[in-house]
Formats: sequence, C-alpha cells, structure tokens
Amino acid sequence: DAGVTQSPTHLIKTRGQQVTLRCSPKSGHDTVSWYQQALGQGPQFIFQYYEEEERQRGNFPDRFSGHQFPNYSSELNVNALLLGDSALYLCASSNPLGNEQFFGPGTRLTVL
Amino acid sequence: RKEVEQDPGPFNVPEGATVAFNCTYSNSASQSFFWYRQDCRKEPKLLMSVYSSGNEDGRFTAQLNRASQYISLLIRDSKLSDSATYLCVVNLGGFKTIFGAGTRLFVKA
Repeated sequence: DAGVTQSPTHLIKTRGQQVTLRCSPKSGHDTVSWYQQALGQGPQFIFQYYEEEERQRGNFPDRFSGHQFPNYSSELNVNALLLGDSALYLCASSNPLGNEQFFGPGTRLTVL
Repeated sequence: RKEVEQDPGPFNVPEGATVAFNCTYSNSASQSFFWYRQDCRKEPKLLMSVYSSGNEDGRFTAQLNRASQYISLLIRDSKLSDSATYLCVVNLGGFKTIFGAGTRLFVKA
C-alpha cells in the first residue's frame, strides 16, 4: 500500500518564476491538504481539496493555487516566487472525516 | 496570540528520564487534537490522538484539558530514538488543521 508521494523532492527556482508541485494521496484517501513549513516552524495550512474543489484556505495569497484531479491527486502552483517562499511543502491526505492526516516526504523549494 | 503555542525547547534529557510537553490553543471551538512527531528533515508522523479522558500508548501519555485549553504529552523512560520535534496539532472541525511550531527533544546517553 503506497503512502503519500510527492514530486519533485527538491527544486531550485529564481524570484518571479512559477512552480508546480505534485502529490498523490494514500490509497483510499480522497482529501488532500497542502502545508508550507519554513525552517524552525510548524507546518502552515495552505488549503485543502476535496471532490476537486478547494474546501478551505489558510492565510496565503492568491499566488498560491491548486488543483485536484479525478484520481484525487493534487497540484500546488505558486506564481511570482519570492525569496520567502523557500520552504518545505508538505502534502497530507486523509479520509473524508479528515481527522488523521498522512504526510508525504515533502518538496523542498529553494528560491534564489 | 498564536492559535497553538508550544515551548520550543530544546529539552535535553538523559536516557530513562520522564519529560512532559505542554501546548495551549486559543480557539475554544477546536474539535480534535493530536501529537505528531517530526524527525530532522522528514515529514510529520502521527504519534497519537488526544482524548478528553486521556490516553496512553506504551511510554506515551496524552492529556486534554478543555477548560484550560491545553494539551500535554508525557514520555516515560526516554530512549535515544525519542529525539525529535513534537508538534501539537489542533483540528477546527475537519477542514482546517493548525500546527504548533514544535518542541525539540534531545535524549542523551
């Protein structure tokens, strides 16, 4: 049973560029949440997708957008990258109740 | 005030020690509570859920005090492998999950 997978594992971009991160949820899970974790901080909730729609959003600007596909996989897009966007981006999947979340290994984004 | 607050530590304890972490949350409507463990440069992993009646899993005991809005985690007989960051997590009704910044634990031989 595959757990949550994310790609790529590492990414280096320059300011102003755009990036797309990908996530495949754990088998049997249909809800995907995205988090940003800066160094020394806890994960910060970006948004959650369920039934291909954004169900809830944290305090992140519109530069952060996402998508969920019919197979429940998801993408996180960040436009106009800033240096402060450098972080570990974590994807977590859960069942419809959403109480227990399983995290992927994350994508480490560096913006230069 | 942060929605979920934890003492960042670090807590430096010898093997075999008992150590306790506390966490406070600000939203009284919070519905479910968890402790996650995160190893250096790895993803968080669920350690245990926290119930009002308190719950125990081996050497780990979690407690919830809704009146005072705090959660605790007690680790008995600490092992070297317990060294990690412990994240307090509060769920606001399924959609939104708030993580604390974490408490770092170092267990030394």
